[in-house]
Amino acid sequence: LAKTTQPISMDSYEGQEVNITCSHNNIATNDYITWYQQFPSQGPRFIIQGYKTKVTNEVASLFIPADRKSSTLSLPRVSLSDTAVYYCLVAPFSGGYNKLIFGAGTRLAVHP
Amino acid sequence: GAVVSQHPSRVICKSGTSVKIECRSLDFQATTMFWYRQFPKKSLMLMATSNEGSKATYEQGVEKDKFLINHASLTLSTLTVTSAHPEDSSFYICSARVTGGVEGTNEKLFFGSGTQLSVL
Repeated sequence: LAKTTQPISMDSYEGQEVNITCSHNNIATNDYITWYQQFPSQGPRFIIQGYKTKVTNEVASLFIPADRKSSTLSLPRVSLSDTAVYYCLVAPFSGGYNKLIFGAGTRLAVHP
Repeated sequence: GAVVSQHPSRVICKSGTSVKIECRSLDFQATTMFWYRQFPKKSLMLMATSNEGSKATYEQGVEKDKFLINHASLTLSTLTVTSAHPEDSSFYICSARVTGGVEGTNEKLFFGSGTQLSVL
C-alpha cells in the first residue's frame, strides 16, 4: 500500500480556511484517497474520499492533482471544534483495507 | 453513514482478569472488521483482521492467545483481552469495512467510538 506523508501539526484560527496536504508518491492506479478525523478518545470519523480532481461534501473539499501523487484536504472556515488529528489514507477501493496502515496524521489546533 | 457501535467505552479491571470488547455494525453487514490499538498521542496500529466465520488474521507481533477475536455473525466481532496486565492498558478501536452501496460510493471504513482499557 502507498505510504503517505503529512505535516505533523498545523495551527490555525477560527474562521480561516485550512489546507492539509498529503504526499503519496507511490499511489497505485486503483488506489483511492480517504481522509479521517479523530478527536481525543474517539474512533476516527470518515470525512471525504476521492480518486481524482475535486470532491466536495458538506464538511470539506478534497483536491487531487492530475498525477495523484498528493492530495489536499481543505476545511473552510474552521472552528474550535475542528481541532483534531487528520489522517490521510490510500488504499484500493475494493479489498484494500486488510493492510491499511495509519500514518502519524496531522494534529490541527484551531485557536480563538 | 454506516454506524459501528463499540462497547464498553471504558473499562477498568484488575490484573489477571479478562475483558471482552464488542463491536457491532448496526445498519449493515460486515464480513470484515478490524481491530486497532492506539497509545496516547500515537497513531492507530492494526492488530488483527476479523473475518466472519473464520479465524482472525493477526499482525506480526500481536499475540493471538492474548487477544482473542471472534466474529460469529455478520454484525458482531468481539475482542477479548485475556489475563490482562497493566501493559495492555490502551485505547482499542474497531472498524468495519463497508463496500459500495451503503453510501453510494466506494469501499471505506467506519469506526467504533473506541474502548479505553485500564488495567490496575
